[in-house]
This record gives sequence, C-alpha cells and structure tokens, in this order.
Amino acid sequence: DTGVSQDPRHKITKRGQNVTFRCDPISEHNRLYWYRQTLGQGPEFLTYFQNEAQLEKSRLLSDRFSAERPKGSFSTLEIQRTEQGDSAMYLCASSLLKNTGELFFGEGSRLTVL
Amino acid sequence: AQTVTQSQPEMSVQEAETVTLSCTYDTSESDYYLFWYKQPPSRQMILVIRQEAYKQQNATENRFSVNFQKAAKSFSLKISDSQLGDAAMYFCAYRSAVASGSARQLTFGSGTQLTVLP
Repeated sequence: DTGVSQDPRHKITKRGQNVTFRCDPISEHNRLYWYRQTLGQGPEFLTYFQNEAQLEKSRLLSDRFSAERPKGSFSTLEIQRTEQGDSAMYLCASSLLKNTGELFFGEGSRLTVL
Repeated sequence: AQTVTQSQPEMSVQEAETVTLSCTYDTSESDYYLFWYKQPPSRQMILVIRQEAYKQQNATENRFSVNFQKAAKSFSLKISDSQLGDAAMYFCAYRSAVASGSARQLTFGSGTQLTVLP
C-alpha cells in the first residue's frame, strides 16, 4: 500500500511525558502537513513542510510541539511535557508540489493524555 | 482569515434517498478551491469532490454533486441514491488559490455526521 501511514495509531501517556509521532507520506509527494482533530471538530492546521523545509506553523503549535522532516521524506511530530489538552487525533497528510488542494490523509495517531 | 461553517452537526437519510449537506464560508478572496471530504469511522479522510471558484459549473462525481453559490458563499453537497457506505463524517474545506504560505493549508468546517438508515 502506498498511502500515507502514521505510527503509532494509538498512544496513551501520562501528563508530563514526551511523545513522538511518525508520518510516512506518499513517496512522490513534496508537501507534508500536520493537523490536529479533537472530538466532534474538523481538523486544525498545525504545520506544513515543503520537502525538508518547514514553511508554515500555526499559532496552535506551542513551544512544546516540534516537527521535523529531515530528509524530505518521513516526518516526526514531538510533543514535550504533554498536557491533558493535547489529547486529540493527530493527522498527517501529503500532496504533490503542484496541486489544486487535494490532500491525502493518513489514518491518524490518537493521543490520550491521562 | 477564512472560516467555514457547517450548521448541521448530524443528518440522516434513508437508503436510496437523496440528502443535502450545507456549508457556508467567509472569504475576501475571489479565487479559491472548495472541497468535501469524507471521514468514515476509524478510517482516513478521503476527498469526495472539489470545486474551483472560477468555474461556474457545479462539480459532479457520480452520485455526488455540489451546489456552488459564489455570491452567497454557499457550497452544499448532494448525495443521490444514498448507500450504507456513505455513512461518515463529512467535512467542507476551503483553500486559497494564492500559491504561497499559509494559503496552502485547508481550513475545515466542524463536520456533519451522516447516518444512512436501511
């Protein structure tokens, strides 16, 4: 399967711990996005990469959040010192450099902070 | 900033019937894209249909069609001959046609949960 894959699918952690999520986009896609989705809401934009460059970050991305895409392929999203308010589904999506907006999404990584 | 509003948190439809999901948006831009995405339970979000604002003709994809009213900033999705597999959360989304910066991101509405009754 050559779709967007995310790992882990589920993560339960205690408040104050660090967590890291990984996203493997579709191989030929230059752009990679991270979104956060809470229950009953639409996805909210967090950050966006074009190849290895992080070009945009939402104000939702506090200092405790960091994202990388070191070789322009997979990406990681790390949350330090997790808080209960970080509990959400973290969605990764990718797209081609030239596109009319269609994003291809992964199944998401669900984070529960106890 | 652009906003997308879906005023119907839940909708239901009988199998084989037609249902329309509503979406309104707010923007000062004249060129943009609008989308409907479908998110089945525990599955990834997939694109249902796309509309380019400069095109007057409403987009259609098999049983799915849109009613795009640019002046009213309205973008509704019609699902004809509803099937059990159409049951999902549906999100309306907006993207600027400006090719730089934050314009590349999608702005989503809060979603409409569609139930299809057998």
